[in-house]
Amino acid sequence: DAGITQSPRHKVTETGTPVTLRCHQTENHRYMYWYRQDPGHGLRLIHYSYGVKDTDKGEVSDGYSVSRSKTEDFLLTLESATSSQTSVYFCAISPWTSGRGETQYFGPGTRLLVL
Amino acid sequence: SQELEQSPQSLIVQEGKNLTINCTSSKTLYGLYWYKQKYGEGLIFLMMLQKGGEEKSHEKITAKLDEKKQQSSLHITASQPSHAGIYLCGADGSYWGNKLVFGAGTILRVKS
Repeated sequence: DAGITQSPRHKVTETGTPVTLRCHQTENHRYMYWYRQDPGHGLRLIHYSYGVKDTDKGEVSDGYSVSRSKTEDFLLTLESATSSQTSVYFCAISPWTSGRGETQYFGPGTRLLVL
Repeated sequence: SQELEQSPQSLIVQEGKNLTINCTSSKTLYGLYWYKQKYGEGLIFLMMLQKGGEEKSHEKITAKLDEKKQQSSLHITASQPSHAGIYLCGADGSYWGNKLVFGAGTILRVKS
């Protein structure tokens, strides 16, 4: 199994509070991703990173920001949590050495409930 | 992703029966990926297909890629309760850049 951990694994918070989720990898992979998973929508990409301090938006990036100050850590921040951000959040990593056809490996997920 | 359609949405099969899940892309693929997810857990990578006609197996699960149709089928032979879960297909290609997009998933239940 790829060495990916996420913290916290579960979080309950109130609307309007900031929340930060952490993804940590021990594989030294270049690419890291944050997804959210919701019923009927499958997995949707929030943000991704292709190197330290290099990030880009995914399809559902509004209300989220990310930071990557070290290869191994990728942080997802909800600046002011809303109930629509209640979801399961997954981090994934990929070496992406060839630019195409690289497998992504997923962390165990974080369940976030915004009340 | 609307460009990646999975069918069926859900499936209930009797233990020991075979089943097939399909994943069809409306865009040209670099790679087609199959993952399995158990409730409350992360995604487990099953296999990746890149070439037309390619077929791979993982235990009793076999997947094929039809490049002309931009479609992959995942076939489970003699289903077991351990096969139950959500199966997701993912795809990458020039249309999506350096990203994977995913189908909505197929929920599989296996009755004992």
